[in-house]
Amino acid sequence: DAGVIQSPRHEVTEMGQEVTLRCKLISGHNSLFWYRQTMMRGLELLIYFNNNVPIDDSGMPEDRFSAKMPNASFSTLKIQPSEPRDSAVYFCASSRDGNNQPQHFGDGTRLSIL
Amino acid sequence: AQSVTQLGSHVSVSEGALVLLRCNYSSSVPPYLFWYVQYPNQGLQLLLKYTSAATLVKGINGFEAEFKKSETSFHLTKPSAHMSDAAEYFCAVSEGWGAQKLVFGQGTRLTINP
Repeated sequence: DAGVIQSPRHEVTEMGQEVTLRCKLISGHNSLFWYRQTMMRGLELLIYFNNNVPIDDSGMPEDRFSAKMPNASFSTLKIQPSEPRDSAVYFCASSRDGNNQPQHFGDGTRLSIL
Repeated sequence: AQSVTQLGSHVSVSEGALVLLRCNYSSSVPPYLFWYVQYPNQGLQLLLKYTSAATLVKGINGFEAEFKKSETSFHLTKPSAHMSDAAEYFCAVSEGWGAQKLVFGQGTRLTINP
């Protein structure tokens, strides 16, 4: 079975540019999570969706960040405008319903903002 | 709110020695607990999960964890370390009934000495 698929794997762009990260969920999963990982702050939950509806976006750093689920199998995380402090590895994960269901992670997007 | 504390950000053991990674949690409801492993340049992979069926949980790659309610602990062990076990390990707790959101510990980096 295909796992969570993230694209691109690496992104290098200049400050001020728009960045769009993409994520394809595992078929049959209906919860989607976006995380950010840095050395300083560790693994942070940015936002999560259930059945395409945002449930908790309290981790989104500021208005420059936005996330969408245009359909049940796909999500985007957009940063506009990007800043050097946004440099991090961004992961998405998906799961089935139920609090004993594990999250399945993609391999991440390594983002560098120059 | 739930929280997770991993004791020791770095643990180093010799190949063939016992691995013990510590995790303590706080939860106002019976918790669901998870251990994940992250290899370099990859996403998090599920090692094992506790869902109240048995207090000793066996996972992949020879790892196991024991849930101790009286100690609010869920420590991860492996009898004999292998070089391939070198990675970062994360303990996580489900945030409550019906919630898929996980609260992660800060991670423990495991180094294996030859």
